[in-house]
Amino acid sequence: NAGVTQTPKFRILKIGQSMTLQCAQDMNHNYMYWYRQDPGMGLKLIYYSVGAGITDKGEVPNGYNVSRSTTEDFPLRLELAAPSQTSVYFCASSLRDINIQYFGAGTRLSVL
Amino acid sequence: AQKVTQAQTEISVVEKEDVTLDCVYETRDTTYYLFWYKQPPSGELVFLIRRNSFDEQNEISGRYSWNFQKSTSSFNFTITASQVVDSAVYFCALGSNDYKLSFGAGTTVTVRA
Repeated sequence: NAGVTQTPKFRILKIGQSMTLQCAQDMNHNYMYWYRQDPGMGLKLIYYSVGAGITDKGEVPNGYNVSRSTTEDFPLRLELAAPSQTSVYFCASSLRDINIQYFGAGTRLSVL
Repeated sequence: AQKVTQAQTEISVVEKEDVTLDCVYETRDTTYYLFWYKQPPSGELVFLIRRNSFDEQNEISGRYSWNFQKSTSSFNFTITASQVVDSAVYFCALGSNDYKLSFGAGTTVTVRA
C-alpha cells in the first residue's frame, strides 16, 4: 500500500524562487493536511482540506498556497521562498469519521 | 485554544528499562481525541494510539501502555522493557471535532544497548 506519497524528498531553493510540494494519497481519504516541522518543535498546521475544492488556513499559512482539485492530490505551493521557510514539510490524510491522520515521509526543504 | 505540553525534552535509558512519557493538554472541548505518534530517525511519523475523551480505560498493547486521566488532563505513555528500536521522537497530539491536530514539541527517547 502506497498510503501518502510526498515528492520531492529533498530540495534546495534560492531566496525568491517558487516551488510546489506534491502530495498524493490512495486511501480515498476526505481530509488532507500540510504541516511544517522546525527543529526541536512539534508540527504546525499550514493548510487543510475537507474535500475536493475546499481548503482552509491552519496556524501558519503565510507564504503558502494550496489547491485540492481531486480527492487524491493536495499540492502545497511556496511563492517567493524565504529562509524562514526552511523546514521539513509533512502531508497527512484522514477519513472524515475516523480522525487518525496518516503521514507521508516528508519533504526536507532548505532556502538559501 | 488547544495546547499540548510535553515537559520532557529528552530521555535516555539503558535497554530493558521502562520509559514513561508525560503529556498534559488543555482544551475547552468536551469531545476530543488524544494521540501518540512516533518519529524514528528515518523521519516518518507513525501513528501509535488514539483515545477519545469518553474512554478513560487504560490499556496495554504489547510493550506499550497508556494512562489517560481527565481529572489531571494527562495522557502518559509507557514503553516497557525498552529496546534500541524504540529510539525516536514521540509526539503527543490533541484533536477535536474539527479534525485538526495540535502537537506537543516532542520527547526524544534514546535507548542505549
